[in-house]
Amino acid sequence: EVQLVESGGGLVKPGGSLRLSCAASGFSFRSYTMNWVRQAPGKGLEWVSSITPSGSYIHYADSVKGRFTISRDNAKSSLFLQMNSLRAEDTAVYYCVRQYPYNYSPDYFDYWGQGTLVTVSS
Amino acid sequence: QSVLTQPPSVSGAPGQRVTISCTGSSSNIGAGYDVHWYQQLPGTAPKLLIYGNNNRPSGVPDRFSGSKSGTSASLAITGLQAEDEADYFCQSYDSSLRGYVFGNGTTVTVL
Repeated sequence: EVQLVESGGGLVKPGGSLRLSCAASGFSFRSYTMNWVRQAPGKGLEWVSSITPSGSYIHYADSVKGRFTISRDNAKSSLFLQMNSLRAEDTAVYYCVRQYPYNYSPDYFDYWGQGTLVTVSS
Repeated sequence: QSVLTQPPSVSGAPGQRVTISCTGSSSNIGAGYDVHWYQQLPGTAPKLLIYGNNNRPSGVPDRFSGSKSGTSASLAITGLQAEDEADYFCQSYDSSLRGYVFGNGTTVTVL
């Protein structure tokens, strides 16, 4: 059974930093592109970042570019998101999401973790 | 605001049919990118509902169907049931933004 378990969320002051982790199990983690998708309270979904299986290709949404860094440890089946210079508008539930290599375009997100809440407030 | 536009809410009586639209532009749906749909039950994470415009993953009832035409896509729920009360999101890719994009979400209420 595929499982994605996020951790590391919490309350942080504006300008602060936080590192999210996602522990994956039940599938060959090293074979899949992984993503972070966030959802502000009562709002819609926003794709944040993606990283290919080897880590060679990384993409970010413009809203987090230069402040967030995605990484992975395939030996430990783990995904990370280092968040710096946090702002109030970064407050959201952050989901760890597996990307399925669809034959056409775009790929879709077939498994989601339960999410971890990040609150940026003074 | 979201790149893909959905109605904020739709409602219907049990057994009825409801549809949710997802309107994009020439840089996403209109550029030929497929559309996927997710269902988010209250207090839970999103779950894949439809992929590739009109394909259901294993376990998704055939009451759910999708379509795509031009710069828009639609999700239809036939034989609406109480358990279908949830938020629904469409997803595609935008070549101008060079990233995955979601609709703003639609809340389905069963009357």
